[in-house]
Amino acid sequence: NAGVIQTPRHKVTGKGQEATLWCEPISGHSAVFWYRQTIVQGLEFLTYFRNQAPIDDSGMPKERFSAQMPNQSHSTLKIQSTQPQDSAVYLCASSLGGPQDTQYFGPGTRLLVL
Amino acid sequence: GQGVEQPDNLMSVEGTFARVNCTYSTSGFNGLSWYQQREGHAPVFLSYVVLDGLKDSGHFSTFLSRSNGYSYLLLTELQIKDSASYLCAVRDPNYNVLYFGSGTKLTVEP
Repeated sequence: NAGVIQTPRHKVTGKGQEATLWCEPISGHSAVFWYRQTIVQGLEFLTYFRNQAPIDDSGMPKERFSAQMPNQSHSTLKIQSTQPQDSAVYLCASSLGGPQDTQYFGPGTRLLVL
Repeated sequence: GQGVEQPDNLMSVEGTFARVNCTYSTSGFNGLSWYQQREGHAPVFLSYVVLDGLKDSGHFSTFLSRSNGYSYLLLTELQIKDSASYLCAVRDPNYNVLYFGSGTKLTVEP
């Protein structure tokens, strides 16, 4: 089992450009979570899918951020018109989907917006 | 929302123990998880507790008191390689979302 896969591992963009981050959950896991980690804010929840359906996006900034899960094997997080404050490590996690199932994290994508 | 608090730093000595504290104030509760995170790496799951009391998992033990909104992670027989950040996270009861504390950086000295 390869674990949660995230690509790219590092991404540098210029201010105003678009960034798309990919996540492949562990095979058989029905729940996918996106989090963002910075030194100042720590690890923050962004959005959550179960069986590909969006369940909770209460942590997503309302503008410029969007997430999709077009099939059970991958999810994307897109940031339009990136800003320096979007610089962070974006972490994807997956679980079996039950209320007490463990979330397993991927290695993260380190995004730097210049 | 979920307010989860942890001390920023903790130092201990190789061969002894360390207790990482976590307090929370929540609008709901469906258990608390502990993760270990090394610099530049993903959080790694250590333990999940939902009932009061001590859960012994060998090198790591976890304690929970729901009435006090308090948990701790106890590491025994510390090794240098236990130096890492330790994150506690409260699980939302309505969804499966984890709300994390800021993490405690544990430094184990020789």
